Amino acid sequence: QSGLTQPPSASGTPGQRVTISCSGSSSNIASNSVNWYQQLPGTAPKLLVYKNNQRPSGVPDRISGSKSGTSASLAISGLHFDDEADYYCATWDDSLPGPVFGGGTKLTVL
Amino acid sequence: QVQLQESGPGLVKPSETLSLTCNVSGSFIRSSSYFWGWIRQPPGKGLEWIGHVYYGGRGYYNPSLKSRVTISVDTSKNHFFLTLTSVTAADTAVYFCARLDVSTIDYSFDYWGPGTLVTVSS
Repeated sequence: QSGLTQPPSASGTPGQRVTISCSGSSSNIASNSVNWYQQLPGTAPKLLVYKNNQRPSGVPDRISGSKSGTSASLAISGLHFDDEADYYCATWDDSLPGPVFGGGTKLTVL
Repeated sequence: QVQLQESGPGLVKPSETLSLTCNVSGSFIRSSSYFWGWIRQPPGKGLEWIGHVYYGGRGYYNPSLKSRVTISVDTSKNHFFLTLTSVTAADTAVYFCARLDVSTIDYSFDYWGPGTLVTVSS
């Protein structure tokens, strides 16, 4: 049902930089800002990036977001073992109207 | 600090009604800057927006669930509620309540409850 497409998995080694993509359409990403959520195993999602590239207080600057057209991406540099989690993009979809989430990307730190 | 906490039955029989409460502390439900929402996550799957409500009582719902969902508020107790009727096994999920920040034109769920697992089974 998700209107946003993410790769199901991503991986990297400690210290590396990884990016996670999120693809949408003219009714969602193209016309609204994108948020990213981190979900550690067994916990609730946590807001990681809002308004495409803004970080809430406490989120380190090695986390960054960007948006272009109908796509967005999340970048994590200096990868840590505790970055291992599921990551979800989300935005508003004018056709619902309401929030829509990506299918999630499981990040593994090898 | 802002905290949300879901509560309600963990087991519901098929065809019956699922009812959950979200208790909010550290933030007033009666605020023009926030809506109050429910999101669910079936086991091993992704997140699905169910709906959200303004303190004045108007609800906004996912079209796929709209015929079965009601979200309401009790501003006197700083709670809000989810009701989902005619449940089936497909409604088995962890249900999260969350605050939707609408203070700018860019909306985000900035605070979440820990979630509660609801299983639909006879």
